[in-house]
This record gives sequence, C-alpha cells and structure tokens, in this order.
Amino acid sequence: EDQVTQSPEALRLQEGESSSLNCSYTVSGLRGLFWYRQDPGKGPEFLFTLYSAGEEKEKERLKATLTKKESFLHITAPKPEDSATYLCALQSGGYQKVTFGIGTKLQVIP
Amino acid sequence: DTAVSQTPKYLVTQMGNDKSIKCEQNLGHDTMYWYKQDSKKFLKIMFSYNNKELIINETVPNRFSPKSPDKAHLNLHINSLELGDSAVYFCATSYDQAFGYTFGSGTRLTVV
Repeated sequence: EDQVTQSPEALRLQEGESSSLNCSYTVSGLRGLFWYRQDPGKGPEFLFTLYSAGEEKEKERLKATLTKKESFLHITAPKPEDSATYLCALQSGGYQKVTFGIGTKLQVIP
Repeated sequence: DTAVSQTPKYLVTQMGNDKSIKCEQNLGHDTMYWYKQDSKKFLKIMFSYNNKELIINETVPNRFSPKSPDKAHLNLHINSLELGDSAVYFCATSYDQAFGYTFGSGTRLTVV
C-alpha cells in the first residue's frame, strides 16, 4: 500500500529564515508526486507536480525536489503570508487515486 | 465565479438524519472526486467519477452514495448519519495530473 509521511508536523520560522519540509514515501510505480498548500477553512491549492527523481520545480519562494524515496519543499526567505499547511501527495498505478500525507503546518513569524 | 463550489459550507444535523452535499464545477474537467478530511486533517479519497461514471469507490460505508447527474455536478448523499461522519468534505476536479486537483472550499459536517 502507498504510504506518505511528512515531517515535521509543525514548523515555526522567523521571517527570512529558510528551511525545508520533508515528504518520504513508499509506492509501487510512482506516477506523480504533488505538493499542495492549505489555508485554514479552505481547500488545498495545487503547487507542483514532480514525476521522476532529480526533477525540480520552483514558484516564488518555494522549490520542490524529488528523489526515489523522498521529496523536499524548500522555502527560501519565507514571509508571514507563507504560513499554511503544506500537503504532499502521490499517485501510483492506474486510475487517478491520490494518497495524501498529513501535512506540515508552517508558521512564519514577522 | 468560483471554479468548484460546494453547498452548504456548514451543516449541523442530528444522528440518524439523511443529508446531501452538492458540488458544481465550471472548469469543464472530466474527473470529479469526494475527499473526507478528518479531525486530524488527514485527507482521504472517497469516490471518483469520470464523465458521470464511478471509477473509484474506496471502502466507504454504503450509507454514502455519490450521484453525478451531469459532468459538471457531483453530489454526495449520506443516509443515517453517525457521529463519526463529522468531518470536512471536499469536492475536487482534475483535468491533467500535471495541474493537480482543484478543490472546493469544503463542507464542514457536524453530527450531534
């Protein structure tokens, strides 16, 4: 069965303090690994899709990377508006079933 | 114009009641989903429809019945509600995995 484990569960950063969130996974036949951002009271918002080891994607202060066993979401010089829960998810096999991790709750303090 | 809209946003009801949650999308996406997010914030897929056809049904009690009257709508009907059904239910759509899912804003269901 596919498994997604995210760490840490919560992370508190000072504004400008760069860090990384981890997503480790086990899957038979990865079709895609996804990162989402979820703000309180809202649905998750899509950030990136990664397909194969070595791939990287960037968007503003966020950069996602992928290896054969884990993915990292690097946050460079975060701002308070980056505070949210970041969810990792993966898709394997045939139909579009996606398995989500429990998320990392990020708080960026001014 | 909201891309994926769910109604109602909040639903408080008594055990044993039957209720429905509605989802509508204006994106023209072929695939729609229902996800459940429990109190620990864990998102788990319940159902997936592709062009009105059920393609994923994940070990969900048969008290839950999805209905897709057309490609733009996916409703969730729940019979005989139980305390454990309390959660936030999200509707989502997808077109291509490269662009991920587009989620609605969720329906918070509280069973008392």
